[in-house]
Amino acid sequence: EVQLLESGGGLVQPGGSLRLSCAASGFIFRTFAMSWVRQAPGKGLEWVSVVTSNGGATFYADSVKGRCTISRDNSMKTVYLQLNSLRAEDTATYFCAMFYFDGGAYTDFWGQGTLVTVSS
Amino acid sequence: DIQMTQSPSSLSASVGDRVTITCRASHDISNYLAWFQQKPGKAPNSLIYAASSLESGVPSRFSGSGSGTDFTLTINSLQPQDFATYYCQQYSTYPVVTFGGGTKVEI
Repeated sequence: EVQLLESGGGLVQPGGSLRLSCAASGFIFRTFAMSWVRQAPGKGLEWVSVVTSNGGATFYADSVKGRCTISRDNSMKTVYLQLNSLRAEDTATYFCAMFYFDGGAYTDFWGQGTLVTVSS
Repeated sequence: DIQMTQSPSSLSASVGDRVTITCRASHDISNYLAWFQQKPGKAPNSLIYAASSLESGVPSRFSGSGSGTDFTLTINSLQPQDFATYYCQQYSTYPVVTFGGGTKVEI
């Protein structure tokens, strides 16, 4: 069974930093790109970032570019999201997700999310 | 970047109604479109991929159609458990994906 377990959320002051973690199990982690998606309270889903299977390429939404770093440790089956220079508008539940597309079938798995609150 | 625009942002319906939600892409995405259902406090749950392919276990009252830039999610005979928020997602730029703004289906 695929499981994605996020951790690291919490209350942080504006301008502060936080590192989110997502521990994966139930699939061959090193072969899949891993993403983060966030959802502000009462708002829609926003894709944040993705790292390719070997960590060789990363992509970011414009809203976090320059303030956010995604990385992964395939030996630990964990993906990370480092959030810096946090703003009130970064307050959201951050979901770890695995989206897989091979040109035909499309698959997705999600964690349950971790809440980040940016407030003084 | 590809933008996804959903409409309406919310709708009111009754049990047994037929509901249609539309999603428009800013560029041609072929059929690389998925639909998700999300209930409060939960992670999204996928319903449809490749614009019209039903995920395993999803009731047949859900259907999707479209290609290129215009897509539709239809729910036939709305059930109480279908009251939720629905999102489209394009994956033509995989691994980068984009979500629509969501449609809340209310009683």
